[in-house]
Amino acid sequence: AQKVTQAQTEISVVEKEDVTLDCVYETRDTTYYLFWYKQPPSGELVFLIRRNSFDEQNEISGRYSWNFQKSTSSFNFTITASQVVDSAVYFCALSQQGDKIIFGKGTRLHILP
Amino acid sequence: EAQVTQNPRYLITVTGKKLTVTCSQNMNHEYMSWYRQDPGLGLRQIYYSMNVEVTDKGDVPEGYKVSRKEKRNFPLILESPSPNQTSLYFCASSLGRGQLNEQFFGPGTRLTVL
Repeated sequence: AQKVTQAQTEISVVEKEDVTLDCVYETRDTTYYLFWYKQPPSGELVFLIRRNSFDEQNEISGRYSWNFQKSTSSFNFTITASQVVDSAVYFCALSQQGDKIIFGKGTRLHILP
Repeated sequence: EAQVTQNPRYLITVTGKKLTVTCSQNMNHEYMSWYRQDPGLGLRQIYYSMNVEVTDKGDVPEGYKVSRKEKRNFPLILESPSPNQTSLYFCASSLGRGQLNEQFFGPGTRLTVL
């Protein structure tokens, strides 16, 4: 069965701390894509990153970094030196053959000033 | 401006009264999709469409219908809404295969069924 698990329902950290959001996925496909989206308090959904199953290189974009490990079926997201503007709900998603897309339940991140 | 639009943004209706939520994109995207977002359940895919006249069920299609007669439009139809369809609905589109590409989301439609 295809599944995305974001075990952390809610996380609170103090500004400037680093924080990692976990994402574990299950799929039978060998070709698949993983995504992270951000939903700030205003409600819109914003794309952050896409990673395909053949590319296990980690990615860094400013204060954001992603660690993809096929061995543990994980695609974790780290925010370094968090800021209040990072407060949001973050969703991990899996897409696979046939174009069906499965989202995790999301992690609500609170950055406290 | 490249965007996905949804109408209405807010809707309160009663059980059994048919309604349609429209979705339109101006990016010439092939792939379009509908999701519902509920507290504690995240986003769940209702239906998706890979191109005109091609639609497929997502994880929670029961009680919904869609159509894709034109590339830019992908309306969501609730023939006989029930209170358990009270939710926040998002339409999304992406270029090419939905599997491969980032999705652009509409602003959401908050539906309440009494």
